[in-house]
Amino acid sequence: NAGVTQTPKFQVLKTGQSMTLQCAQDMNHEYMSWYRQDPGMGLRLIHYSVGAGITDQGEVPNGYNVSRSTTEDFPLRLLSAAPSQTSVYFCASSSIAGGQDTQYFGPGTRLTVL
Amino acid sequence: AQSVTQPDIHITVSEGASLELRCNYSYGATPYLFWYVQSPGQGLQLLLKYFSGDTLVQGIKGFEAEFKRSQSSFNLRKPSVHWSDAAEYFCAVVPDNDYKLSFGAGTTVTVRA
Repeated sequence: NAGVTQTPKFQVLKTGQSMTLQCAQDMNHEYMSWYRQDPGMGLRLIHYSVGAGITDQGEVPNGYNVSRSTTEDFPLRLLSAAPSQTSVYFCASSSIAGGQDTQYFGPGTRLTVL
Repeated sequence: AQSVTQPDIHITVSEGASLELRCNYSYGATPYLFWYVQSPGQGLQLLLKYFSGDTLVQGIKGFEAEFKRSQSSFNLRKPSVHWSDAAEYFCAVVPDNDYKLSFGAGTTVTVRA
């Protein structure tokens, strides 16, 4: 099993550009989520999904879109990148809904917005 | 506001010495409690978790944590650290009336020879 994979590992964008961060898992997990990690702030939940076709907002959803058309994939879209979105992004999955179960994290995407 | 607090931003410890990382939460009832570790350039890995029962829980890599309801704390300990324990450690909480995971700001551990 590859677990949770994320692409790309690194990305540099200019302000106003859009892009999609990819996340895939091969563990047949229903619950998937996106976090951003900023120094001194830990990880903050952006969006999450409890199954295909179902998504909801987390703590810091503004400027981000998600969709979940399959169990395996949960892409995160930046609509119009801003310097405040410079961060490290982690995707996670678990077998049952919510953080009560062990979260399996991907290796992260380091995004810089100029 | 409900929160998770890790009071120590950075701890330096000698190899072979003991380590204790503090975590306090401000949720009313007993939440689900976790410790995750992040090695440099890596994603997070679960060290241990507490849901109920015995308040001393054992995890991977020789770590343990103790839940103290009266102090709203869930401190992580290791009796003897190894150089490979240098990493960032995150305490995380899920309230019992919710299912979204909230993380503390993290504690960076440096191990000196």
